[in-house]
Amino acid sequence: KNEVEQSPQNLTAQEGEFITINCSYSVGISALHWLQQHPGGGIVSLFMLSSGKKKHGRLIATINIQEKHSSLHITASHPRDSAVYICAAALNFGNEKLTFGTGTRLTIIP
Amino acid sequence: DVKVTQSSRYLVKRTGEKVFLECVQDMDHENMFWYRQDPGLGLRLIYFSYDVKMKEKGDIPEGYSVSREKKERFSLILESASTNQTSMYLCASSFGGEWDTQYFGPGTRLTVL
Repeated sequence: KNEVEQSPQNLTAQEGEFITINCSYSVGISALHWLQQHPGGGIVSLFMLSSGKKKHGRLIATINIQEKHSSLHITASHPRDSAVYICAAALNFGNEKLTFGTGTRLTIIP
Repeated sequence: DVKVTQSSRYLVKRTGEKVFLECVQDMDHENMFWYRQDPGLGLRLIYFSYDVKMKEKGDIPEGYSVSREKKERFSLILESASTNQTSMYLCASSFGGEWDTQYFGPGTRLTVL
């Protein structure tokens, strides 16, 4: 069982819809990252957070430390948001190594 | 802006060949990482380096070695390529430790025939 799990694996939505991608992890963490990977492979870091909420444009990331859960929200989704979104947690195993989820493939239809 | 570049976007090699993948970053980052990405498995850490000539094994170091002779450059070496090393290889760098924001290169898709 992966220590970092994402859901859903695949998500298709209409342009303009509000999108939520979930990430849960099994042990304490020191930081959680949300990453975006476009077709072709390049990965961009969207957020790093250890508590609360962060917002950048139409993207919002939240984390609930007690529930070991984080969400990535996209408001007013657009076809250019189509990508794979990856959650990665620095798990408290002593060396804070990053463990990656398997990603959520998001497709926004015009 | 941080820039991380990788020597090739696509590479095709034969079983048994020695393969070099190079990564260069231009932001004076201490830490550099090599990952491989396979469908359904997510990114897995092969090796990382926290300083010149320093390296640590990640989750899947078998069949790989690394070299960091200069701060900006981190090389991944497949001593004798095998078909199960066909994968997407991603390099990253960060200022802080592994927990810090990592900046990724564009990836190298390696096919071993």
